[in-house]
Amino acid sequence: DGGITQSPKYLFRKEGQNVTLSCEQNLNHDAMYWYRQDPGQGLRLIYYSQIVNDFQKGDIAEGYSVSREKKESFPLTVTSAQKNPTAFYLCASSIHPGAGDTEAFFGQGTRLTVV
Amino acid sequence: KQEVTQIPAALSVPEGENLVLNCSFTDSAIYNLQWFRQDPGKGLTSLLLIQSSQREQTSGRLNASLDKSSGRSTLYIAASQPGDSATYLCAVSRWNTGFQKLVFGTGTRLLVSP
Repeated sequence: DGGITQSPKYLFRKEGQNVTLSCEQNLNHDAMYWYRQDPGQGLRLIYYSQIVNDFQKGDIAEGYSVSREKKESFPLTVTSAQKNPTAFYLCASSIHPGAGDTEAFFGQGTRLTVV
Repeated sequence: KQEVTQIPAALSVPEGENLVLNCSFTDSAIYNLQWFRQDPGKGLTSLLLIQSSQREQTSGRLNASLDKSSGRSTLYIAASQPGDSATYLCAVSRWNTGFQKLVFGTGTRLLVSP
C-alpha cells in the first residue's frame, strides 16, 4: 500500500536531549513537509522540502533541523534548543505542483513528550 | 497574512441529520482548498480537494463547495453516522515562491450520537 509512515508513534525526550522523528513515503512525491499540532491551534509548518538535498524553513523552524538525502525520507530532529517540544508532529507529502494534482497526504503522527 | 477560520468549533447532532461545516479564509488568492478528517490521536485523512477553478467536489455523502470571491467553503455531510465523529479541518493552499504552503483552520469537532 502506498502511503506515509511515521515512527515512532510515541516518543519521550529528556531535557537537553536531541531526538529524531522518522518520515518515509512510497508515493514517489517530490515535496515533503513537517507540521506541528498543538491543542487549540491549527497545524504550523516547521520545514519543507521540494526536492532531494534541498529544504526550507517554515514558520516555526527554530530548534528543529531536517535532512533530505533520499526522495522517500525526510527525518526531523528536535534539538535541545527547542524549548517547548511537547506536541503532535505530522509529516506530509505532495506531488510537486506543476505536475497536476497537488493533494497533500499525511502520516499518522508522532506524539513527542518531554519528561 | 492568510487566516483560516472554522465555525462552529464543535457540533453535536443526532444520527441521520444533514449538517454543514464552514470554513472562511481572508485572502482569495488560493491554489486549492482541502478538507481533512482527524480522529483522536491520529493523522489527517484527506477527504476532498477543490482546485481554485472549481466550485465543488463530491465524494459519497460528502460535498464541498468553494466560493473564492467571498473567501468561503462549506463541507456538507448527508445522513450523518456515528462513524463520522471526528475533527474536520480545512486548509487553503498558496503557491509561494515555488512551493505549496498549506494554512490550516483550527477545526470543527463533530460528534454524531446514535
